[in-house]
Amino acid sequence: NAGVTQTPKFRILKIGQSMTLQCAQDMNHNYMYWYRQDPGMGLKLIYYSVGAGITDKGEVPNGYNVSRSTTEYFPLRLELAAPSQTSVYFCASSYSLNSGNTIYFGEGSWLTVV
Amino acid sequence: DQQVKQNSPSLSVQEGRISILNCDYTNSMFDYFLWYKKYPAEGPTFLISISSIKDKNEDGRFTVFLNKSAKHLSLHIVPSQPGDSAVYFCAAQRGGKLIFGQGTELSVKP
Repeated sequence: NAGVTQTPKFRILKIGQSMTLQCAQDMNHNYMYWYRQDPGMGLKLIYYSVGAGITDKGEVPNGYNVSRSTTEYFPLRLELAAPSQTSVYFCASSYSLNSGNTIYFGEGSWLTVV
Repeated sequence: DQQVKQNSPSLSVQEGRISILNCDYTNSMFDYFLWYKKYPAEGPTFLISISSIKDKNEDGRFTVFLNKSAKHLSLHIVPSQPGDSAVYFCAAQRGGKLIFGQGTELSVKP
């Protein structure tokens, strides 16, 4: 009963390095999302996808890229990591757009950029 | 531009009493409002939601009230239990996107 799975759980990056946060869901959900949570703040939407091959920007997309080649996977790419990208990242998925109670979150990925 | 605001970063309540968590929003076009609960080192989990056309939704110990004229919603937990201690996020939904508040950390003391 996996749900939404994120890897890695923890990562330390040096400034200027690149990395990809992996996200997979096994619920056949069309909609997938990446959020980040900074200390004392709510979750901010980075990118989302309404289906394979379709992605769109959220509130804070700068410094990130995504792809959605299949329904199951929605990786988040950080190019040229900066200290401002130190955060906790949550991937989520949902079946429908209309009722938020179907949005399921992964356990989070803690990223530190030094 | 904070569209969803939770102005109380923390709340402490005695076990058995009522917990009231508040949330304000600015955009009258939101379709749904939701509350999520988050424990440390875990992802948020859905708690309860309310459609923008309703003013109250109840689920066991949890009730959400929506005041559209004031653009305000609240979550009532009665009776509060120590296991309710967590961070509670208010969120507003439009077009499949969730906009979150900053969160309120609830501490229920035995």
